[in-house]
Amino acid sequence: QKEVEQNSGPLSVPEGAIASLNCTYSDRGSQSFFWYRQYSGKSPELIMSIYSNGDKEDGRFTAQLNKASQYVSLLIRDSQPSDSATYLCAVKAPSGGYNKLIFGAGTRLAVHP
Amino acid sequence: NAGVTQTQKFQVLKTGQSMTLQCAQDMNHNSMYWYRQDPGMGLRLIYYSASEGTTDKGEVPNGYNVSRLNKREFSLRLESAAPSQTSVYFCASSEGQTDTQYFGPGTRLTVL
Repeated sequence: QKEVEQNSGPLSVPEGAIASLNCTYSDRGSQSFFWYRQYSGKSPELIMSIYSNGDKEDGRFTAQLNKASQYVSLLIRDSQPSDSATYLCAVKAPSGGYNKLIFGAGTRLAVHP
Repeated sequence: NAGVTQTQKFQVLKTGQSMTLQCAQDMNHNSMYWYRQDPGMGLRLIYYSASEGTTDKGEVPNGYNVSRLNKREFSLRLESAAPSQTSVYFCASSEGQTDTQYFGPGTRLTVL
């Protein structure tokens, strides 16, 4: 079982719809959770971080965390073509003396006009 | 404020050649990291440096060495390149180990 799992996609949504991206993780000791966006040929950039159970909203983005179910999600409201990218879920957990950041393989999102 | 910079954008090596990837950050961060990204596998940590003067192995260190030259600079060396090291390499930095990591633009390395 991979430590951080994401559906590879592509997830295709029409412009203006809500895109829902999901991520599960295996380490119950995980402490911090991040969503990065990566455009093709570019480096990952941080969109959201979430540390406690519940929802965290930032503009059109909402991160949701459920530690009991080991599940974190990202909702993108009013999706735009510019949101088309790969979204990486990352989970930070203590490991061997440092806080290891483990990335999922990413979900590719395609927003079509 | 340039953030995290990587001097090489593309690099092609022949099997057995050596090279060093350079990384620098101007955010006064303590921690720096080297990752590789392969299709379908996400980002995997090669080496990290929690603070100036220290380096430690990550998930996939074999075939690589690193040097934390000073607080700003963290280099990754391939002593004898192999085709399995064909990948995109990202350098990242963070204030501390628990903080957000910021990534450089990446280097696409091909080993023939």
